[in-house]
Amino acid sequence: GQQLNQSPQSMFIQEGEDVSMNCTSSSIFNTWLWYKQDPGEGPVLLIALYKAGELTSNGRLTAQFGITRKDSFLNISASIPSDVGIYFCAGQTSGTYKYIFGTGTRLKVLA
Amino acid sequence: DAMVIQNPRYQVTQFGKPVTLSCSQTLNHNVMYWYQQKSSQAPKLLFHYYDKDFNNEADTPDNFQSRRPNTSFCFLDIRSPGLGDAAMYLCATSQGLAGVLFFGPGTRLTVL
Repeated sequence: GQQLNQSPQSMFIQEGEDVSMNCTSSSIFNTWLWYKQDPGEGPVLLIALYKAGELTSNGRLTAQFGITRKDSFLNISASIPSDVGIYFCAGQTSGTYKYIFGTGTRLKVLA
Repeated sequence: DAMVIQNPRYQVTQFGKPVTLSCSQTLNHNVMYWYQQKSSQAPKLLFHYYDKDFNNEADTPDNFQSRRPNTSFCFLDIRSPGLGDAAMYLCATSQGLAGVLFFGPGTRLTVL
């Protein structure tokens, strides 16, 4: 089935550093979503992207929908301890209601 | 606040004993989803409903069934849970094509 490759798998960074992660696929997507998941909780939506090339910010977070529609990236600027968690991308293909999730990036922030 | 609610948050069942997980939403969304998430893995789509239309994923075991009696409620039935079914089960909703997914807090299922 479809699969989204997300990298890096995990990151250890110092507080205040910027973070970048990305998702790639062999399929074209019409919508990209980025989520953060804390332990024992459901994923929480961070950013939604709907058009190729779209660049959207939400506070310290910025995400872009790749021009080829097969990739997306998420940047976090000036990381803080509460950014710790697992970040997932999710993509939706045209004409379906299904979202496929990436493999996740586990972020740890060292104070 | 509009939300997706899952009950219970934690469920313990015995091997082979049927169990039902429930989800309700106040968002009035027309699509409801069930995802299975095992430790440190990506959520895996089991099935989804568009209104009353049921859409099963090809690799979802027959052991998993779902019901959506009305717009607000959706149930996940596991007929004979095995040890491998222990996981977090996430319910989500969306509205229309390209609608974003809103997740509930999940139900952590333990199988003894």
